[in-house]
Amino acid sequence: QVQLQESGPGLVKASETLSLTCSVSGDSISTYYWSWIRQSPGKGLEWVGYMSYGGDTNYNPSLKSRVTISADTSKNQFSLKLSSVTAADTAVYYCARGAGGHWGQGTLVTVFS
Amino acid sequence: DVVMTQSPLSLPVTLGQPASISCRSSQSLVYSDGDTYLNWFQQRPGQSPRRLIYKVSNRDSGVPDRFSGSGSGTDFTLKISRVEAEDVGIYYCMQATHWPYSFGQGSKLELK
Repeated sequence: QVQLQESGPGLVKASETLSLTCSVSGDSISTYYWSWIRQSPGKGLEWVGYMSYGGDTNYNPSLKSRVTISADTSKNQFSLKLSSVTAADTAVYYCARGAGGHWGQGTLVTVFS
Repeated sequence: DVVMTQSPLSLPVTLGQPASISCRSSQSLVYSDGDTYLNWFQQRPGQSPRRLIYKVSNRDSGVPDRFSGSGSGTDFTLKISRVEAEDVGIYYCMQATHWPYSFGQGSKLELK
């Protein structure tokens, strides 16, 4: 059974960098691809980006200049960094396998000024 | 970007009655490999989304057979043959054919 768990700060100051980690069990991140998705009341569900097993990444063009997704295969984790955050980045952030076959429970990140 | 448009956005249903949600995409969702990457998700209150259907009509493991998906090209439908209390929640269609992947606005199913 694949399980994903997000972790990271729930509060981030505006203009700083949001950093989240997704810990995966029951599967290896060296297979398939792994995604970050966010959900906010204003924008609904939005695909942030994904990282493939080969290390290739694909980011939503609306966020591309600010997003980095990377992996730590030794820990079976992958991470999200979103720089220069604003209030518009306040959302529940989910990690998921592939195109959404398995999701983490989500973590609320609030950007404050 | 591909825009996914769902209807209705609110769906009051009586227990035991059928329900249907429509999803329309702004572009064809047929990928170059011939498959159509249209998925349906259910989000119960306070929970993460859960995939019910992938590639238009394939039920995920553990999904009751009262859920079915159909459609092609740009028009898709999720049907629930007999609504049960546990089906209350928001349903989203989502396309994974074109990048960036995108979701519909969500259709809220509630009991009458």
